[in-house]
Amino acid sequence: DTGVSQDPRHKITKRGQNVTFRCDPISEHNRLYWYRQTLGQGPEFLTYFQNEAQLEKSRLLSDRFSAERPKGSFSTLEIQRTEQGDSAMYLCASSPGPQGSSYEQYFGPGTRLTVT
Amino acid sequence: AQSVTQPDIHITVSEGASLELRCNYSYGATPYLFWYVQSPGQGLQLLLKYFSGDTLVQGIKGFEAEFKRSQSSFNLRKPSVHWSDAAEYFCAGQPGGGAQKLVFGQGTRLTINP
Repeated sequence: DTGVSQDPRHKITKRGQNVTFRCDPISEHNRLYWYRQTLGQGPEFLTYFQNEAQLEKSRLLSDRFSAERPKGSFSTLEIQRTEQGDSAMYLCASSPGPQGSSYEQYFGPGTRLTVT
Repeated sequence: AQSVTQPDIHITVSEGASLELRCNYSYGATPYLFWYVQSPGQGLQLLLKYFSGDTLVQGIKGFEAEFKRSQSSFNLRKPSVHWSDAAEYFCAGQPGGGAQKLVFGQGTRLTINP
């Protein structure tokens, strides 16, 4: 069990550029979640997938944000036309889903985005 | 609205002293409850969880938490803290059923005095 991995760990970009982050969940976890965490705050939910289906999106996820999980394994989160307010830590988590015996979410190390 | 509140932004305790971090929740029914710990620049590590049953739950690293329905609380405790426990601690809630998002409190930053 290698845990949830995220790539890159750090990303610095200029305002207006597009960025894409990748998350690899724990193998056989069919639920995958994205959260955003700003300095001094708890994580806030962005979206979640069950297998390849995106089942819920937060109002925080503006039109500039899109997430995919094309084969029900890894997921990508893309931010278009980045703004300084997008600077945050983007966290990915996975959970076993209903066939597992527990519902806790396991988090990756996060991708820290800085928009200059 | 569903919410989780951690009243203490920052707590300082001496090494070897006992610790209690507070968490209150606001849900229509008893939610699933979790405590996570986050070291600087890192992701979140699950310390313990409460789904149902015994209201005192044991976790990793010597932590425990007690669910009190009458007080809508799920406080985290440790009898004797170590310098390595210095970190940010987050309480989180999830509606029963486990399929949905976690709602996090603001976090409590724990500092340990030598």
